[in-house]
Formats: sequence, structure tokens, C-alpha cells
Amino acid sequence: GENVEQHPSTLSVQEGDSAVIKCTYSDSASNYFPWYKQELGKRPQLIIDIRSNVGEKKDQRIAVTLNKTAKHFSLHITETQPEDSAVYFCAASPRSGGYQKVTFGTGTKLQVIP
Amino acid sequence: NAGVTQTPKFQVLKTGQSMTLQCAQDMNHNSMYWYRQDPGMGLRLIYYSASEGTTDKGEVPNGYNVSRLNKREFSLRLESAAPSQTSVYFCASSGGTSNYEQYFGPGTRLTVT
Repeated sequence: GENVEQHPSTLSVQEGDSAVIKCTYSDSASNYFPWYKQELGKRPQLIIDIRSNVGEKKDQRIAVTLNKTAKHFSLHITETQPEDSAVYFCAASPRSGGYQKVTFGTGTKLQVIP
Repeated sequence: NAGVTQTPKFQVLKTGQSMTLQCAQDMNHNSMYWYRQDPGMGLRLIYYSASEGTTDKGEVPNGYNVSRLNKREFSLRLESAAPSQTSVYFCASSGGTSNYEQYFGPGTRLTVT
């Protein structure tokens, strides 16, 4: 099955700096790579995703890059703000039929220091 | 729309007791999932239901059973709870041919003593 590794497990940055979280996956059949943000005590929520036919996707201060050859993808957050503090999970999934069997990474706890 | 709802929010069980976690979604999604979240382990898939009438094991199914009662509801049952099942449980759903996003419920915090 799929195996997703995520680094680092914790990350502290100064407000306004950039943060980068990296993930690798093992299954070359994976074609969908979502990123979820989970604030303390809350449910995970999708913040951005990328499909295997795209190398990069951007949404305001958040961007995700995908290198299918190397089987790795990264989340980039620019101009970090205190409200970006949360746990971020990467995930990988081979789409099968109408459902999405997603394998999550172990999470990165991001702390943005004001 | 309420989205994905779960009951109960919190539960304490003694070893050997049984309980059922309930999940419902009102987004007409075909697929539903149960995850457990433990510190440092991320979200691990217990069971999933690709569509009404089907269920399949995920990564960590031992000690659990599921029922897809109808398109809206997907329950998770612990027949004989063990301390290793202390965790936060999330239900999720996804649907549509072009929308891959999984929507999560608020979670159930379960403690087994």
C-alpha cells in the first residue's frame, strides 16, 4: 500500500517568514495530493490540493509543488501569520472508481511566532 | 447544511465494554470513511465505504466493525474496547466525480480505561 513520509514534524518560523513542509510517497499510482490544516481541537480541513497532471498550484499565500519522478511534493506558505499556526497533513491517493482512499503523513506542527 | 456530524463528542469506556460511534452526512456523498488520530501518527484509515452497500478494511481495522446504514449514515462499532483504542475518531465523506475533497466531522474523543 501507499506510504507517505512528512518532514519536519515541528516547524517554528517568525511571522512574515516562509514555511516549507515536504512529503514523499511510495505508490507511483497515486495521482491526487491534498493538504489539510488542523487547528487545535478542530477537524482537518482541506487547504489546497494538486493532481498528478499539474506540477504546481498556488492559492494566495499557499502553494504546492509536485515532482512525480522523485515522488515528492511540498507545501509552501509565504508571509506567515499567527493564524497559520496549526498542524498540517499531506496525503496521497490513487483514485479508484468514485472514492478516494487517502494515506496521510504524520503531520507537521507549525508555530508562527509574532 | 450541517455537513458531517458525529455523536458522541466524548466517551469514556471501561475495557471490554462496547459502543457505537455514529456519523451522518447531508451532502449526498457516496463515500464515507472512519479514521483514528493518535499523537505523532497522523490520521489512519480504519474502514471505508466507497458507496452505499459496500464496506472495506483500511489500514487499522482490527477490533472494529462498521455498518453503512444508508447513503447518509456510517457507524463504527467497538465490540470489546481496549486501552489501545483510546484515540480521537473522525468520520469523513467525499462525493462527486470531480470533487475529491474529504469533509471531516468534528471528531469523537474516546478514552478506554
